[in-house]
This record gives sequence, C-alpha cells and structure tokens, in this order.
Amino acid sequence: SQTIHQWPATLVQPVGSPLSLECTVEGTSNPNLYWYRQAAGRGLQLLFYSVGIGQISSEVPQNLSASRPQDRQFILSSKKLLLSDSGFYLCAGNVGDYTEAFFGQGTRLTVV
Amino acid sequence: AQSVTQLGSHVSVSEGALVLLRCNYSSSVPPYLFWYVQYPNQGLQLLLKYTSAATLVKGINGFEAEFKKSETSFHLTKPSAHMSDAAEYFCAVRDFMEYGNKLVFGAGTILRVKS
Repeated sequence: SQTIHQWPATLVQPVGSPLSLECTVEGTSNPNLYWYRQAAGRGLQLLFYSVGIGQISSEVPQNLSASRPQDRQFILSSKKLLLSDSGFYLCAGNVGDYTEAFFGQGTRLTVV
Repeated sequence: AQSVTQLGSHVSVSEGALVLLRCNYSSSVPPYLFWYVQYPNQGLQLLLKYTSAATLVKGINGFEAEFKKSETSFHLTKPSAHMSDAAEYFCAVRDFMEYGNKLVFGAGTILRVKS
C-alpha cells in the first residue's frame, strides 16, 4: 500500500531561520505530490504540487518554496521563516487523475 | 474551478444519535468527491469517495454519503454516533488542472460526541 513518511512531527524554529521539511513516498511510483498547510477553522490550503521530478507548481505566493529532486521525494523549504509560517503542514500524494490522496502524519511548525 | 462548502464548523451530537455533516460542491464537470477524517495532530484518513458509480457510497467506520446532483450535495451520515467518531471531517472535490490534479478541501467540521 502507499505510504507517505513525513518528518519531523513537531518543529520549533526562530524567526529568520531556514526550514526544510521532507516527505518521502513508499509503495508507488510516479505519484503526484502535494504540500498543504492547515490553519484552524480554515481547512487545508494547497501550497505546492508536483506531477514529476523537477516540476513544481505554486498555488499561492509566499515565503516558502518546494523541490522534487527524486520521484518519491518532496521537500518544502524556506530561507527565512516568518511568524506567519507557523501551522500544520501535510504532505499528500496520489497516482493518476481519479484516485484519492493519501497523507503523511503532518509536521507542526511553530515559529517563535 | 471546483469548490466545496461545509455547513457548520462545529457539530455536537449525543452518543448513539444520528450524525449528519453537510457538504455542498460547485463543479463544472461531473465531480469526484471525498470525505476525510482527521484526528488531532495526525494526517487525513479517507472515509469514502464518490467517483460517478453508485450515488450512495459506503465508507469505513459505518459512515456513508449520498451524492445528490440536483442539490449539489454530498452529505456524510452515520446512524449511531460513537465516542471514537469525535474528530474533524473534511469534504473535498477533485479539481483537474492543465498539469495533474488537486484536491480542494472545505473548511472542515469538528464533530463532538457527548456521552
């Protein structure tokens, strides 16, 4: 079965520090991959998605960037974190156009 | 672009009572719809999905949802709530783009189950 590994589970970072969150996929090849951010009462906001190695689409302008260096690896980064970057970040994936997405366990990021 | 609206950010029911969580969608094409459940500080788990087959879809944990095109709705129900059903529930619709596709989520409904 398809599994997404996402780490760390929690992270506390100072304002202005860099960020790197990694997501890896097991059990499938050529997945579409997604980074979502979740804020209380606001559902899930899609930040980035990728349909293949090196391909990144950004949904919203922001302080974050994403990269996909390998088929089953998706990285969320920032050069300098802002307080507003705090939130719960979820990596998700799916295969093909008509299947459901499977999710990692999320990373709780607190910028202080 | 497709979108979903979940009516009620919080729903409270008694244990053993009917659970009804509402979702309405907006889609220019036949929709692919999903319900997910999220427990605190965890990822999302798929409850059920509608992919244009049967309009009444059965999922895990006794949940089901009915697709009603005339009402553009995909409400989630469970006949008898259990304490373990307390969680946040998200309705989502598949949105197809030039490259790939994405899930568009509603704002979520927090379900509280009272003993």
